[in-house]
Amino acid sequence: SQTIHQWPATLVQPVGSPLSLECTVEGTSNPNLYWYRQAAGRGLQLLFYSVGIGQISSEVPQNLSASRPQDRQFILSSKKLLLSDSGFYLCAWSPGGPTYEQYFGPGTRLTVT
Amino acid sequence: QKEVEQNSGPLSVPEGAIASLNCTYSDRGSQSFFWYRQYSGKSPELIMSIYSNGDKEDGRFTAQLNKASQYVSLLIRDSQPSDSATYLCAVRRVQAGTALIFGKGTTLSVSS
Repeated sequence: SQTIHQWPATLVQPVGSPLSLECTVEGTSNPNLYWYRQAAGRGLQLLFYSVGIGQISSEVPQNLSASRPQDRQFILSSKKLLLSDSGFYLCAWSPGGPTYEQYFGPGTRLTVT
Repeated sequence: QKEVEQNSGPLSVPEGAIASLNCTYSDRGSQSFFWYRQYSGKSPELIMSIYSNGDKEDGRFTAQLNKASQYVSLLIRDSQPSDSATYLCAVRRVQAGTALIFGKGTTLSVSS
């Protein structure tokens, strides 16, 4: 069966510090991968998605970036965090067509102080 | 107009009742529809997917899709306190590739 991991589970970072969140998927190959952010009281916002190694699509221009160095690894980064970057960061994977069902990891709760 | 709209609630039902959650979407080209359950502080969990008009049943859950009216609903029969959560509706638009568009969710509270 497939398993998706995210770490760290929680993170408190000062404004202006860098960020690196990691997501890995086990039990599948060539998954579609996604990064979402869920701010307090708001809906899920798609940040990035990837259909293959090195292929990243950005949905929202901001100070975040994503990379996919390996087939089942997806990394979210920032060089300088803003207060508005606080939120619940969720990684998800999908086997792709024809169903496009997405499955979420446990998430990382980021607080920028 | 928002792409995927849900009533934020809270929707309150007594234990054993039927909970009805609704979702409307704006893009007629939408192809795939999903319901996720999210407990407070946890990540969303996929509970139902539906791709064609009509009803799809899975245990106590029934998803209903009406593409002509652009709405999808989720019925929860014999509601239990453990069903208390936020329910997210998600839609896949062909033009968006593999990405899903999520509604903001409806909070359901089941009282015992």
